[in-house]
Amino acid sequence: EDKVVQSPLSLVVHEGDTVTLNCSYEVTNFRSLLWYKQEKKAPTFLFMLTSSGIEKKSGRLSSILDKKELSSILNITATQTGDSAIYLCAVPVIQGAQKLVFGQGTRLTINP
Amino acid sequence: NAGVTQTPKFQVLKTGQSMTLQCAQDMNHNSMYWYRQDPGMGLRLIYYSASEGTTDKGEVPNGYNVSRLNKREFSLRLESAAPSQTSVYFCASSNTPSLSTDTQYFGPGTRLTVL
Repeated sequence: EDKVVQSPLSLVVHEGDTVTLNCSYEVTNFRSLLWYKQEKKAPTFLFMLTSSGIEKKSGRLSSILDKKELSSILNITATQTGDSAIYLCAVPVIQGAQKLVFGQGTRLTINP
Repeated sequence: NAGVTQTPKFQVLKTGQSMTLQCAQDMNHNSMYWYRQDPGMGLRLIYYSASEGTTDKGEVPNGYNVSRLNKREFSLRLESAAPSQTSVYFCASSNTPSLSTDTQYFGPGTRLTVL
């Protein structure tokens, strides 16, 4: 069974701290891994990591894929209160058509 | 360009009532999806439609039906609502069947409460 697991499920830090969120996966025919940020409404796309693009960076956010360990991390440096959100990791699987399998999400809270 | 839209935003039902959640996308995407999100469980796929005219079950299809009305619209129906269906429902769409080169775009969600 395809599975995606995130840790921690919840994290509370102070503004300015650096955080690392984890995602591990067990899927057949791995192709890519996606990170989403969800504030009050719909998830919004952050990064896609593939075998040919194992590291992505955008401002204070960066993500690395470790294909050997079947995992990915999402780093956020110099956190701000606006980074408070649920961060979701997802992996596409092929079962007739492509579908996303999501992890449980990490709820990140940044206190001022 | 509105992206993915969903109606209604909020709904309260009594056990046994029926309702249809509507979803539409204006990005000319082939594939559309319905998810539910419960606390601590991420998003779980209910049904999906890889292309117009096709629908398939996802991870948690029981108690739901779907209709891909045309390329733009994908509706989710609860025939006899149960308290276990209290959740936030998200519709999503993607451009091609291959998510390796694309991502899914999500609607704003429908918060459903079944009493």
